[in-house]
Amino acid sequence: GAVVSQHPSRVICKSGTSVKIECRSLDFQATTMFWYRQFPKQSLMLMATSNEGSKATYEQGVEKDKFLINHASLTLSTLTVTSAHPEDSSFYICSAHSLDRSGYTFGSGTRLTVV
Amino acid sequence: AQSVTQLGSHVSVSEGALVLLRCNYSSSVPPYLFWYVQYPNQGLQLLLKYTSAATLVKGINGFEAEFKKSETSFHLTKPSAHMSDAAEYFCAVSDDRGSTLGRLYFGRGTQLTVWP
Repeated sequence: GAVVSQHPSRVICKSGTSVKIECRSLDFQATTMFWYRQFPKQSLMLMATSNEGSKATYEQGVEKDKFLINHASLTLSTLTVTSAHPEDSSFYICSAHSLDRSGYTFGSGTRLTVV
Repeated sequence: AQSVTQLGSHVSVSEGALVLLRCNYSSSVPPYLFWYVQYPNQGLQLLLKYTSAATLVKGINGFEAEFKKSETSFHLTKPSAHMSDAAEYFCAVSDDRGSTLGRLYFGRGTQLTVWP
């Protein structure tokens, strides 16, 4: 079945530094990648939607200059958290949509801790 | 706009008992509906999905859900709970943009606890 590899699974960084999270679709082409943020004991909040080769569409309230999304190919999308602060600590999950409309495949998530 | 309401943030059952997790949706178009399960510090795993075919959908791990348009519901059930079913469950509805699926709208989640 469809697999999305998300790395790293956990990362700890210092305030002010940047962190890049990668999501790769291993056996299918992901025309659309969704990036979510999940706070403890809460649901997933959609941050942005990216289509291959075009700029990401950000949800209201999400700072596009802080959360940089790149979807340069049909198999790779990255989320970079720039100038991270402790309040950016969260669980980030990507989800890829495949061309055959079979559904959404989720990455395993990245636990970001900013100290 | 689409939305999902999951009734009950916590559900507790005994092992072997019936599991019932409730989900109601609001959609301006015929919906695609999903149930996902999430274990701690992991991504979401698809349990089952409704895409306008059979109203009773069977998924993995013995779960099933019934789409009831008149009640705008898509409740998840399992006849006999297992300890390994303890997890967070999310109901979701998607935009259908014709040739491609749009974004997912998630419910707030239901934490299922299974007692031995």
